Amino acid sequence: NAGVMQNPRHLVRRRGQEARLRCSPMKGHSHVYWYRQLPEEGLKFMVYLQKENIIDESGMPKERFSAEFPKEGPSILRIQQVVRGDSAAYFCASSPEVQNSPLHFGNGTRLTVT
Amino acid sequence: AQTVTQSQPEMSVQEAETVTLSCTYDTSESDYYLFWYKQPPSRQMILVIRQEAYKQQNATENRFSVNFQKAAKSFSLKISDSQLGDAAMYFCAFFGGAQKLVFGQGTRLTINP
Repeated sequence: NAGVMQNPRHLVRRRGQEARLRCSPMKGHSHVYWYRQLPEEGLKFMVYLQKENIIDESGMPKERFSAEFPKEGPSILRIQQVVRGDSAAYFCASSPEVQNSPLHFGNGTRLTVT
Repeated sequence: AQTVTQSQPEMSVQEAETVTLSCTYDTSESDYYLFWYKQPPSRQMILVIRQEAYKQQNATENRFSVNFQKAAKSFSLKISDSQLGDAAMYFCAFFGGAQKLVFGQGTRLTINP
């Protein structure tokens, strides 16, 4: 059973460009979380999604950031008009059900904005 | 909102010795889960150990064990017989009714050969 797959592993964007980060959850997992990690800091919650639904986006910046988890295909975290402060590692995690299963994390995407 | 505090930004231990990493949390909930995750330089987040709040018995996974003090809201991680491969960032995390993991700031553990 493949783990949580994130791609790309590294992404470089110039200021003003768009960044698209992809996450394929583990097989059978219908819950996806996105976290952001700045250098030397812990992971900060961004958004929690189930198939076709955003459950909790309280950690998402109000502008430029959006996330989706369509019925078919991976979850996408989209950052429009990137700025240098968006440079970070972005992690995706998935779980089959919320209460009794720990989250399984992908290896993250490191976004660098130049 | 729940908060998780790791008061030790860095810790070091001699190989084969025992080290304890501290974690405290703040919540008004009675039913929740606590986790320790390890993040080596590869950046991968690896689950080390998990504790259900309703269980009084402390969780143990091989050389890793926790000291869960529910009343004190404390959840420390003990690593016995430290090995070079244990060197990493360690994150304490809380999962409760908000249905999301809340992480502490992390502790960088160095193993001295």
